[in-house]
Formats: sequence, structure tokens, C-alpha cells
Amino acid sequence: DVKVTQSSRYLVKRTGEKVFLECVQDMDHENMFWYRQDPGLGLRLIYFSYDVKMKEKGDIPEGYSVSREKKERFSLILESASTNQTSMYLCASSLGATGGRGYTFGSGTRLTVV
Amino acid sequence: KNEVEQSPQNLTAQEGEFITINCSYSVGISALHWLQQHPGGGIVSLFMLSSGKKKHGRLIATINIQEKHSSLHITASHPRDSAVYICGGSQGNLIFGKGTKLSVKP
Repeated sequence: DVKVTQSSRYLVKRTGEKVFLECVQDMDHENMFWYRQDPGLGLRLIYFSYDVKMKEKGDIPEGYSVSREKKERFSLILESASTNQTSMYLCASSLGATGGRGYTFGSGTRLTVV
Repeated sequence: KNEVEQSPQNLTAQEGEFITINCSYSVGISALHWLQQHPGGGIVSLFMLSSGKKKHGRLIATINIQEKHSSLHITASHPRDSAVYICGGSQGNLIFGKGTKLSVKP
């Protein structure tokens, strides 16, 4: 089975801290995605990557950056965490450039910024 | 820009009932995905379909390309089906609906 592993299940950080959320997939998928999920807003795309060292902005990239130095790892970075970034963060990966293949999701990281 | 709408937002059913969740999208997509999210947050991909119908156990997903509409059906619902069901349309990236929260009472 494809596995997408997110490094932390729960995380509490202080306002202003630099936060790294890590995501690793083990099936050589080209595409990786970061979403955040908020009540009433659903899943919203933050950033995605179609290849190593490539990144594209999603719908809500402000306040975030990403890094993809290796194919299997896609990191989401909050340069200076703010309380409005308290959310559930979900990583996903997929095989295929047009989204025509199934997506595999990680279990999510619930981040609280205090 | 693709918009994905789900209905209903919330659904309560009695065990054994037949359940339907609807999903509409505004532009052409390459595939339609149905996901399930249990309390606790983990998301599981249920179906990916681009035409017709797929079945897995008590779950059935259908899609009508011309009407830009998909449905997820659950037959003989059970309390363990209680979850949030999310549809998403992909045109390269996946755009999601806001989800349908299903509660199945014993």
C-alpha cells in the first residue's frame, strides 16, 4: 500500500515561531500536495509540487512556503506562525500529471498556534 | 475556475437506511474523487471515477459527465459509516467540496 506519512499528529507552536511540517511518501509519486482543512471551508490547496525542486502556489499560499529537495519528501514551512494558521494540515500524493490517478492522503497534522 | 458543491451539508440517518450524497461541479474535470474522513481526521480515498459507476461493498459512486454531477450511495447504512464524505474534482489539481457530515444512528 502507498503510504503518506506526516511527521506529527498534533503540534502546538507559539506565535512567531518557524514551523516545519514534514510529509514523506514511499511509492515514487511525482505529485505532492499540501492542504489545510477548516470548519465550513473544507480542504483548500496551499501548495503543490509536480517534481523535485518544483513548486506551485495553490489557492491560499500566503504565509507559507514549501520545499521539495527529494522526490519522496514535501515540507510545508510556516515562516512566522500566526494564530490564523491554526488548522488541520493534510499532505497528499498522486501518480500522474493530470490528476487522473487516485490520491493518497496522510493522516493529518493538527496545528495549534498560541 | 472549478467550483465543487456538495449536498446536503449534514445528514442524519437511521441504521439500515439508503443514503445519497450529491456533488456538482462547474467545469470539465478529468476525474471525480470521493473521500471519507472519520473523526480523528484521517482521510481515505474511496473512489476515483471519470465515467459510469463504481461499487465497493455497500458503497456505490456514479457520475454523469453531461450534467457535471456525481452521487455517492451507501446501502444498508451502519453507525460505522458515520464520517465526513468529501468529493473533489481534478483538473490537474484537486478542488474539493466542503464535505457532507453523515451520522448514522443505531
